[in-house]
Parts: sequence; C-alpha cells; structure tokens
Amino acid sequence: GQQLNQSPQSMFIQEGEDVSMNCTSSSIFNTWLWYKQDPGEGPVLLIALYKAGELTSNGRLTAQFGITRKDSFLNISASIPSDVGIYFCAGLRPGNQFYFGTGTSLTVIP
Amino acid sequence: DAGVIQSPRHEVTEMGQEVTLRCKPISGHNSLFWYRQTMMRGLELLIYFNNNVPIDDSGMPEDRFSAKMPNASFSTLKIQPSEPRDSAVYFCASSRDSNTDGQYFGPGTRLLVL
Repeated sequence: GQQLNQSPQSMFIQEGEDVSMNCTSSSIFNTWLWYKQDPGEGPVLLIALYKAGELTSNGRLTAQFGITRKDSFLNISASIPSDVGIYFCAGLRPGNQFYFGTGTSLTVIP
Repeated sequence: DAGVIQSPRHEVTEMGQEVTLRCKPISGHNSLFWYRQTMMRGLELLIYFNNNVPIDDSGMPEDRFSAKMPNASFSTLKIQPSEPRDSAVYFCASSRDSNTDGQYFGPGTRLLVL
C-alpha cells in the first residue's frame, strides 16, 4: 500500500543537538501521528495531531500538523542517548485509510 | 493498565506448517489492527477490525492469510501454509476509535519460517 515519505532516512547526531524530521505526502490527511520504535519492541505513540496548523509538545518533542494537511514535522530538542530508535509518522486519510511512513533512524552519539 | 498482549513472542516453524498468532487488545478499544514489519517493506497494514467486524483486508497478502476476531478481547492471524517469505515481525495494535485515535502496539511476534 501507499507509504508516506519520511526524511531523512537516518540521522547521526551528537548528544545535546536538536533533531528535525518530516513526513510528506501528495494526499490530504485528517490525522497525523508520530511513533518511536526501540529495537525488539513495537512502535510507541508519541504525539497525535488532529487539526491543520496544530502544534503539540510532549516533553522535549514537538510536532506540527502542516497547514496544507499534506505534511507533518517532528522536532526533538537537546537529544539524549535514549532518543535512539526509529521514528515513524502515520496518517489517517479521509475514508479511514491509515498509512505509515518509511521511518527515520536516529543515532545519538554521546 | 495492561497493554496489547501478543503471543507467542517468537515462533520458528517449517515451511508448510500452519501458524496462528494471537492478540488481546486493550480493554475498551473498539478497533484492532494487524501489521507486518520487514526490513524491505517496512510496516504494512494487513487488516483491521472495528467492533469485531473486518473493515479493510486489502493488505492481506494472499489467501494463505486469514484473520478473525470472535469477540472484543481476542483476535487471531493465521497463515496456512506458511512460506519462508512470511518471515517477519507481526504486530497487533488497538485503538479506541479507528477514525481518530492513535494506535497502541503490542510487542510483536517474531516469525521465522524455515
């Protein structure tokens, strides 16, 4: 099925740096979700966004629902080693079609 | 609160054998989803149920795959006969509402078909 385009595919950053990643599509979405997956575990929901333009924070994480409804952004401030993992965006389209992004692999170097 | 429960956590079987994966969603959640994750294809939605009724099974790869949800607290994903290309991690997830809510994932079943 269709997948959302996430970028970058992977990131290697120093501890303390800020991180930005995004998710784009040619289609409109009603809901955007961001997940983190640790090795050997299932994805864990981080942030859910329900309205265009919405900006939501969860600790050091901030996510935004793009105005065009075709994209979403996730920022992590002051990264720490436990931020390591794969971050997935997911979106719900009109008609209840649900899609996952391709994932961004984050490595934090102490 | 208990999260989504999946069993078994690991399964190794031989080609041609039947495989049954089990899932218990979070109590009170009305929607249940089955996903498959591989390195090559990422996370793929196989099928989802709303109030125990299959809504979209367009992601089910072929007739060898079947899923049931006999009641609100239990679902199975069956592969018969299994093939090596079915090797993957299979996740079950549940949500309160398939229309708006985020999904909560189980720990997954790691399937290896030899």
